[in-house]
Amino acid sequence: QKEVEQNSGPLSVPEGAIASLNCTYSDRGSQSFFWYRQYSGKSPELIMSIYSNGDKEDGRFTAQLNKASQYVSLLIRDSQPSDSATYLCAVKGPISGDKLTFGTGTRLAVRP
Amino acid sequence: GAVVSQHPSWVICKSGTSVKIECRSLDFQATTMFWYRQFPKQSLMLMATSNEGSKATYEQGVEKDKFLINHASLTLSTLTVTSAHPEDSSFYICSARGTGVTDTQYFGPGTRLTVL
Repeated sequence: QKEVEQNSGPLSVPEGAIASLNCTYSDRGSQSFFWYRQYSGKSPELIMSIYSNGDKEDGRFTAQLNKASQYVSLLIRDSQPSDSATYLCAVKGPISGDKLTFGTGTRLAVRP
Repeated sequence: GAVVSQHPSWVICKSGTSVKIECRSLDFQATTMFWYRQFPKQSLMLMATSNEGSKATYEQGVEKDKFLINHASLTLSTLTVTSAHPEDSSFYICSARGTGVTDTQYFGPGTRLTVL
């Protein structure tokens, strides 16, 4: 079992729809969770961090964390073509120390 | 805030030469910096973790004598690819984590290395 798992996609949604990106992790002691967006040929950029169970909203983005289910998700409301990118889930926990463990990413395609 | 720069953004070199890549945290002090490598259509691969003033910790399979990392100050880390070969051609990305911020890692824009 991979430490951080994401569906590679592509996830295709129409413009204006809600895109739902999911991530599961294996280290139950994980404390910090991050979503990064990576455009093709560019480096990752931070979208959001989440540390507590529940929802965290920032603009069109909502991160959801459920530690009991070892599940973290990212919702993108009113998806735009400019949101088309690969979304990386990253987890930090006691086993990994300072390091982030990344999923392989989910490619999102927003259709105009 | 939390801006990380890298220089150069791209470099082309001949096989056998060495290339130095700089990573700077511009508006915060970075006690820890990380170096990643990413091949086309693949995920990020952590190469090493560097802490200011101490030796870098390399991931399994990464040659420390080939990829020299120096973290001499709280705002600068360098990666030197020694005796580069075509198989070292890749996208090298650094990230930085500070003391005054959360444990968030902020990424630099990356350096694309092409070895001829």
